[in-house]
Amino acid sequence: QSALTQPASVSGSPGQSITISCTGTSRDVGGYNYVSWYQQYPGKAPKLMIYDVSNRPSGVSNRFSGSKSGNTASLTISGLQADDEAVYYCSSYTYTSTYLFGTGTEVTVV
Amino acid sequence: QVQLVESGGGVVQPGTSLRLSCAASGFPFRTYGMQWVRQAPGKGLEWLTVISNDGRIRYYADSVKGRFTVSRDNSENMVFLQMNSLRAEDTAVYYCAKEGTWLHIDHWGQGTLVTVSS
Repeated sequence: QSALTQPASVSGSPGQSITISCTGTSRDVGGYNYVSWYQQYPGKAPKLMIYDVSNRPSGVSNRFSGSKSGNTASLTISGLQADDEAVYYCSSYTYTSTYLFGTGTEVTVV
Repeated sequence: QVQLVESGGGVVQPGTSLRLSCAASGFPFRTYGMQWVRQAPGKGLEWLTVISNDGRIRYYADSVKGRFTVSRDNSENMVFLQMNSLRAEDTAVYYCAKEGTWLHIDHWGQGTLVTVSS
């Protein structure tokens, strides 16, 4: 049960768009449309941003969008803002009915 | 609104046991599965276990299988994590989490810190 692979860090300027990748296998990301994304600020609990690959919960900005191609899922943040600075984790349901989280990506707004 | 409040964390010695509790409110508890996730200091999230809404189905991460046991009391809106044979590498913040409609976490507790140290 290895963690899903994410880039350690991604940065962008205010107003730009960034994309965070989340790579797994056909037994998790590629096999199910049950990928979710979480935002976590330091010392705080994670917050759901995207579920079922591309669905946004009520209250989450439409600047956040999700997609998937093969074994890789992606989170795109458009119109980057200062308060988007956080760590983002992907998660996927797996073929053993368990879950995996990604390694986490620190987003920096420069 | 959904509230999940963990308790039971603390400092324990290696090889001992600890039981975490999570009090849930603000939603029909018996309708939803519940999960536990942990985060070691300065590290990423690690999924631990899920229990179905009726408590009959449970799955565990390999890292805790055989040592940790999840349970729930639907009459009290509580979920528990019994942790045995604790190791230094179990040191982490433990989060209780509510499942969404299907196969994802939609709400998290604030976490409780467990430190395993001699």
